[in-house]
Amino acid sequence: QVQLVESGGGLVKPGGSLRLSCGASAFTFSDYYMSWIRQAPGKGLEWVSYISSSTSYTNYADSVKGRFTISRDNAKNSLYLQMNSLRAEDTAVYYCAREGSYATFDYWGQGTLVTVSS
Amino acid sequence: QSALTQPASVSGSPGQSITISCSGTSSDVGGYSYVSWFQQHPGKVPKLMIYDVSNRPSGVSNRFSGSKSGNTASLTISGLQAEDEAHYYCSSYTSSSTRLFGGGTKVTVL
Repeated sequence: QVQLVESGGGLVKPGGSLRLSCGASAFTFSDYYMSWIRQAPGKGLEWVSYISSSTSYTNYADSVKGRFTISRDNAKNSLYLQMNSLRAEDTAVYYCAREGSYATFDYWGQGTLVTVSS
Repeated sequence: QSALTQPASVSGSPGQSITISCSGTSSDVGGYSYVSWFQQHPGKVPKLMIYDVSNRPSGVSNRFSGSKSGNTASLTISGLQAEDEAHYYCSSYTSSSTRLFGGGTKVTVL
């Protein structure tokens, strides 16, 4: 069955960097758009970024534009999120999700917690 | 990139029907047939319930249905059950090629 497994979360100081990874299995990873979605403690879902299946297209929420970079390695069935200049408000559980069609997040990982605090 | 507008809470008695609205603009909800709905129980991963406005993924109960009129999408839960108590979120594709979520609606089964 489709599986998405995030890793790389942790505690980081404001202004620091972190790289999240998401490993995919049991589907043809290179056929699908992928997104990162986050959820701050006790808050709602916030879409962060997407990348097209061939890596040609990416886009970001205004809240992370210029600080976060999404990428993927289809040969390794892996999705990444490089997060720089982290702020306290970036504290959240970060999910990777497969997009079946636009904004259709049909499979989600279990999430990885990122905490930005001094 | 303002979030789509959902009511903070909706409640109903077992067996009743409830409807959750998701309001956007002509640049997102109103402009595309790419609206999805997700159910999230406390401490759990969100689950896709409806996609492309009104389609149900395999395995989702037919008590859940979706629709759209103008810039507002709706999720209806019929025959409300205790297990339906959860947070519900809508999402939409946008003209900027981004994706937007609603703020979420807490459904309470009385």
